[in-house]
Amino acid sequence: DSGVTQTPKHLITATGQRVTLRCSPRSGDLSVYWYQQSLDQGLQFLIQYYNGEERAKGNILERFSAQQFPDLHSELNLSSLELGDSALYFCASSASSGNTIYFGEGSWLTVV
Amino acid sequence: AQSVTQLGSHVSVSEGALVLLRCNYSSSVPPYLFWYVQYPNQGLQLLLKYTTGATLVKGINGFEAEFKKSETSFHLTKPSAHMSDAAEYFCAVSVRGSGNTGKLIFGQGTTLQVKP
Repeated sequence: DSGVTQTPKHLITATGQRVTLRCSPRSGDLSVYWYQQSLDQGLQFLIQYYNGEERAKGNILERFSAQQFPDLHSELNLSSLELGDSALYFCASSASSGNTIYFGEGSWLTVV
Repeated sequence: AQSVTQLGSHVSVSEGALVLLRCNYSSSVPPYLFWYVQYPNQGLQLLLKYTTGATLVKGINGFEAEFKKSETSFHLTKPSAHMSDAAEYFCAVSVRGSGNTGKLIFGQGTTLQVKP
């Protein structure tokens, strides 16, 4: 158990819908990262937050957004969903830059 | 820009044989390097990491990796494969920047099959 908690574990939704994925980082970790894992793209970095502020942005679509709350948990919002958004979404956390990044179990999203 | 290349998307070994998973990286600054393992339907688990110091790094489950700067490589090895080692393995480089950024850039992954 990495200490990073993600909910829900599985989610099936229709095209055009909006979903929210939730992540609780390890106790004391200030950085939260979101990654997307798909068969064709592999593991892609989406976005990083540090203590509530956005710190780095990767291949995140404009239909996707994220935030980190004062209690350090984070949410990834995916809107106007398309079939191609079906993937495993990982949240990860670390104490600070350069420290080990620990991953959650992931949230499986299926868009039908 | 940093990047990672894992040579071989599938590697098959017999139980008890040497495991060698290859990883080459590209980085304009001294890298932090990682190997993660993903078992079926599970998250990513850290096997080992290199930050500074000793270039031979030992990890969990008998795995080790050697950082070779001249070859820009960080290959993962295990002397004797076990059936439970069957999984997907990811090499990653940490992109260190200012302001507490530290995202990981992953390779495409190598699926390790262990035959009895």
